Amino acid sequence: ILNVEQSPQSLHVQEGDSTNFTCSFPSSNFYALHWYRWETAKSPEALFVMTLNGDEKKKGRISATLNTKEGYSYLYIKGSQPEDSATYLCALPSSNTGKLIFGQGTTLQVKP
Amino acid sequence: EAQVTQNPRYLITVTGKKLTVTCSQNMNHEYMSWYRQDPGLGLRQIYYSMNVEVTDKGDVPEGYKVSRKEKRNFPLILESPSPNQTSLYFCASSLISAGRYEQYFGPGTRLTVT
Repeated sequence: ILNVEQSPQSLHVQEGDSTNFTCSFPSSNFYALHWYRWETAKSPEALFVMTLNGDEKKKGRISATLNTKEGYSYLYIKGSQPEDSATYLCALPSSNTGKLIFGQGTTLQVKP
Repeated sequence: EAQVTQNPRYLITVTGKKLTVTCSQNMNHEYMSWYRQDPGLGLRQIYYSMNVEVTDKGDVPEGYKVSRKEKRNFPLILESPSPNQTSLYFCASSLISAGRYEQYFGPGTRLTVT
């Protein structure tokens, strides 16, 4: 069974701080990695889908990197704002089947 | 507007009373999936469908059934609900497989089984 781990479990930062968190996964049989943002009382929304080792993706103040050889992806938020408060999920498909395995998420709270 | 819709959004029912949660997408996506979210356990996949008439089990399929007779619809059926199926359920769809394409999630269905 594919094991996807995220750390830390939760994070509290001040407005304006930059922060990052990690998604770890087995480096063998890598196919793709998804990042989602999940705000309270809403549904998860896709941030990035990454497929190649060394991929870097950016959306506004949020960026992500991928290292498939060592089995991790970092998500960075530059200058955190209160509206960035959410749970950030990473997910990996089990090879090219339809199974998608989610990590438990990192919950970010940004204090004004 | 491109979207995934689920109905009902909230449901309180009793043990053993069959229910169906509907899911529909208007993006012509081939892939659809159901997840449940429980505190401390994250999102877990129940069933998925790669295309019409093609469905397969996710990690927690026990107690659930699905069907995919049309591309746009993927209902989740609980034949005999039990209290341990109290959860928040999400339907999602993506262009082809779950692998290289982002998933679009429905608004969620909060189910309580007493």
